[in-house]
Amino acid sequence: AQSVTQPDIHITVSEGASLELRCNYSYGATPYLFWYVQSPGQGLQLLLKYFSGDTLVQGIKGFEAEFKRSQSSFNLRKPSVHWSDAAEYFCALDTGRRALTFGSGTRLQVQP
Amino acid sequence: SQTIHQWPATLVQPVGSPLSLECTVEGTSNPNLYWYRQAAGRGLQLLFYSVGIGQISSEVPQNLSASRPQDRQFILSSKKLLLSDSGFYLCAWSPGQGSNQPQHFGDGTRLSIL
Repeated sequence: AQSVTQPDIHITVSEGASLELRCNYSYGATPYLFWYVQSPGQGLQLLLKYFSGDTLVQGIKGFEAEFKRSQSSFNLRKPSVHWSDAAEYFCALDTGRRALTFGSGTRLQVQP
Repeated sequence: SQTIHQWPATLVQPVGSPLSLECTVEGTSNPNLYWYRQAAGRGLQLLFYSVGIGQISSEVPQNLSASRPQDRQFILSSKKLLLSDSGFYLCAWSPGQGSNQPQHFGDGTRLSIL
């Protein structure tokens, strides 16, 4: 069965520092992967998606993610974090069953 | 452009009372529609999805039901709420045509059961 693992429940970084959020997936075929961000009390906003092609995907708000098939990973990165990036981040896998499999999320705190 | 609306934003209900949460999508036709629940500190769990009017698939057995009376309307209901129904409920849509399309979420309903 497919699964998504986000190993880091909580991460704290300083404003201006770089960020990497980890995501590992388990799926036997070509994965379709997404990163979403959720601000407190809000719905989820799509940051970026990977379907095929270039393994480095650019998203909104300066985020990017790199798909590595050999490592079954789809890590999210940002070169310089802003205080407004504080939120919860979810990695999700689409296996074509009309539903997304979500990781348990990583909560990001940004220190001034 | 497409928009998705959920209401109410927050709801406090006593145990045993009925529930009706509504979700509507604008700017698209024949969307796939989804209801998720997000428990505190946990990820999202898919409850129901629908690929068309009157077509509902349930992912987990529970105290809730869903209906799709119109193309762009998705309703989550319960006849008698349980304490365990508390959580954050999210509606989402994706294009009906084509596979592996991203899902777009509403702002959610926070449901508290007393």
